Amino acid sequence: KQEVTQIPAALSVPEGENLVLNCSFTDSAIYNLQWFRQDPGKGLTSLLLIQSSQREQTSGRLNASLDKSSGRSTLYIAASQPGDSATYLCAVKQGEETSGSRLTFGEGTQLTVNP
Amino acid sequence: GAVVSQHPSRVICKSGTSVKIECRSLDFQATTMFWYRQFPKQSLMLMATSNEGSKATYEQGVEKDKFLINHASLTLSTLTVTSAHPEDSSFYICSARMGHSQTYEQYFGPGTRLTVT
Repeated sequence: KQEVTQIPAALSVPEGENLVLNCSFTDSAIYNLQWFRQDPGKGLTSLLLIQSSQREQTSGRLNASLDKSSGRSTLYIAASQPGDSATYLCAVKQGEETSGSRLTFGEGTQLTVNP
Repeated sequence: GAVVSQHPSRVICKSGTSVKIECRSLDFQATTMFWYRQFPKQSLMLMATSNEGSKATYEQGVEKDKFLINHASLTLSTLTVTSAHPEDSSFYICSARMGHSQTYEQYFGPGTRLTVT
C-alpha cells in the first residue's frame, strides 16, 4: 500500500525567503506526482504535475523535482510571499493495473509566510 | 477550462437526517468522479470512485449504505450522507476526470463543509 509523507508538517518563514517542501512515497511504481495548494476551507488547486519519466517541472517561482527511484519529490518556492501561505499537498498516482490509478495524498505542509 | 463545482459549499443538518451534496463538471464530461473526505489538519482520504452509469466502488471501511453515490450523468455525481451523525462532520471534496485512463488529470471541486449537530 502506497504511503506518502510530507516534511515538515508546518513551516513559518519571513517574506522573501526561498524554501523547500519535501514529499516521500514508499512505492516507486508511480504514474505521476502532483503538488497541490489548499487554502483554508477551500478545495485543491493544482500547482505542478510531474510524469514518472520527468525529473522536474517549473511554473513561475515554483519548481518541483522528482526522484522516482528514491521515492522523493521536493517543491521549491523562490522568493516567498505572504500570498503563498497555504497548505501544500503532495499526491502520487499509481498505475491503472495496481490500484485503479487513484491518487494517494500526503498530510500536507502548512506554510506561513510572514510579512 | 476543467472546472468542477460543488453544491452546497456549507451545510448544517441535524443528527439522523440525510444530506445530499452535488458535484458537477462544468465544461467537460466526467467519465469518472471521486469523492474524498478530509478531517481538520488531515489529508484527503478517498471514499469512493464512480464511473458514469455504474455502481460506485467504495474504499475499505467506507459504508456504502451510509454514503450513497450516484453518477447518473457525465456531468453530475451526488453523495448522500444518510442518517448523519456528528462524526460524519467533515469536509467533502469531489474530483472529476474526463476518462477512465490514468493519463487523464483529476480536477477538484471547492469542497463542501458538512456539520452535523
